[in-house]
Amino acid sequence: QITLKESGPTLVKPTQTLTLTCTFSGFSLSTSGVGVGWIRQPPGKALEWLALIYWDDDKHYSPSLKSRLTITKDTSKNQVVLTMTNMDPVDTATYYCAHRRAFYWYFGLWGRGTLVTVSS
Amino acid sequence: QSALTQPASVSGSPGQSITIFCTGTSSDVGDYKYVSWYQQHPGKAPKVLIYYVSNRPSGVSDRFSGSKSGNTASLTISGLQAEDEADYYCSSYTSSNTWVFGGGTKLTVL
Repeated sequence: QITLKESGPTLVKPTQTLTLTCTFSGFSLSTSGVGVGWIRQPPGKALEWLALIYWDDDKHYSPSLKSRLTITKDTSKNQVVLTMTNMDPVDTATYYCAHRRAFYWYFGLWGRGTLVTVSS
Repeated sequence: QSALTQPASVSGSPGQSITIFCTGTSSDVGDYKYVSWYQQHPGKAPKVLIYYVSNRPSGVSDRFSGSKSGNTASLTISGLQAEDEADYYCSSYTSSNTWVFGGGTKLTVL
């Protein structure tokens, strides 16, 4: 059974760097074709794709946020980490991580999400 | 990249059918079969309903169906039920090796 869980701070100050961790089970990020992505959702607003990392360490980012995002993986710990620099109140959102099934082009399973508020 | 375009809201009565459209460009919806649809109930994580335009994952009701024509994809829900009231999002892989979501559609079951 695949599960994903996001963790990190619930409150960050403007200009700070956000670090979120996705801890997963039920699959390995060393398996060919597998990926883990991050998607966020501001309160009452739409989903926004942020980044995705593949089993081979290939990484892709949202063009509008690319300069602020870094995604990494620790296969031994079954974790994916997303960092976002220079946080702003508009980055207040629920951040989800999601499993991309090997060589399938959709997000099949999602974590429950973690709400991050940016405020001084 | 711009978000895919969806109507903000749709509504229907129990038992009826509704269709939600999702319009993209030739760089995303029009270029790939990798369109997916997600259902999100309040306070919950999204759940995939449709992938590869018209495929349903195991366990998803056959009342949900998808199709695509050119740059526009669509999700049809037949035999509307009260439990279908939720937000629906389309998504597509893009020619830039990124993903894009739609603005979301709130479905109200009257």
